[in-house]
Amino acid sequence: QKEVEQNSGPLSVPEGAIASLNCTYSDRGSQSFFWYRQYSGKSPELIMSIYSNGDKEDGRFTAQLNKASQYVSLLIRDSQPSDSATYLCAVINTNAGKSTFGDGTTLTVKP
Amino acid sequence: DAGVTQSPTHLIKTRGQHVTLRCSPISGHKSVSWYQQVLGQGPQFIFQYYEKEERGRGNFPDRFSARQFPNYSSELNVNALLLGDSALYLCASSRYSYNEQFFGPGTRLTVL
Repeated sequence: QKEVEQNSGPLSVPEGAIASLNCTYSDRGSQSFFWYRQYSGKSPELIMSIYSNGDKEDGRFTAQLNKASQYVSLLIRDSQPSDSATYLCAVINTNAGKSTFGDGTTLTVKP
Repeated sequence: DAGVTQSPTHLIKTRGQHVTLRCSPISGHKSVSWYQQVLGQGPQFIFQYYEKEERGRGNFPDRFSARQFPNYSSELNVNALLLGDSALYLCASSRYSYNEQFFGPGTRLTVL
């Protein structure tokens, strides 16, 4: 079992819809949680960071963290074709000196 | 401000050779992390350096080594290259060891 699990997809949503991306992690010592977007052939681009339980909103993006359930999610509202990419979930356990990424969920937004 | 820079962009080596990859972090960032990414997978953590000290090491063989310089730039060295080392090598910088990491464009290494 991978330390950070994501549905590989592909996830397909129509333009304007809400895309929901999920991530579970196994290391309870993890303190920092991130969502990255990666376009084909490019390096990952930071979308959101979240450090405490609850929701964090930034524009069309909302990240949710539930440490008890070891679950992180990302909601993308009003999805646009330009949101089509692979979304990577990452967790950091600073005490263990460890940074772990999931393998990503591929999102396609259809016009 | 300039983002994270990496050099070279592309590199072709043969098995058994040695390679050095370089990374310059965002100004003010004291932490540099290195990752290996192969097609279809997420980045795999290799090393993290913070304030010139190794703070974390992933599950990679001793052929992989790194260091961070006083100006916070970093080098990743890989000895005795194997075909399986072919990948995109990513460098990410962050202000501290636990917060947001910003990635450079990567170095594409091909081992023949």
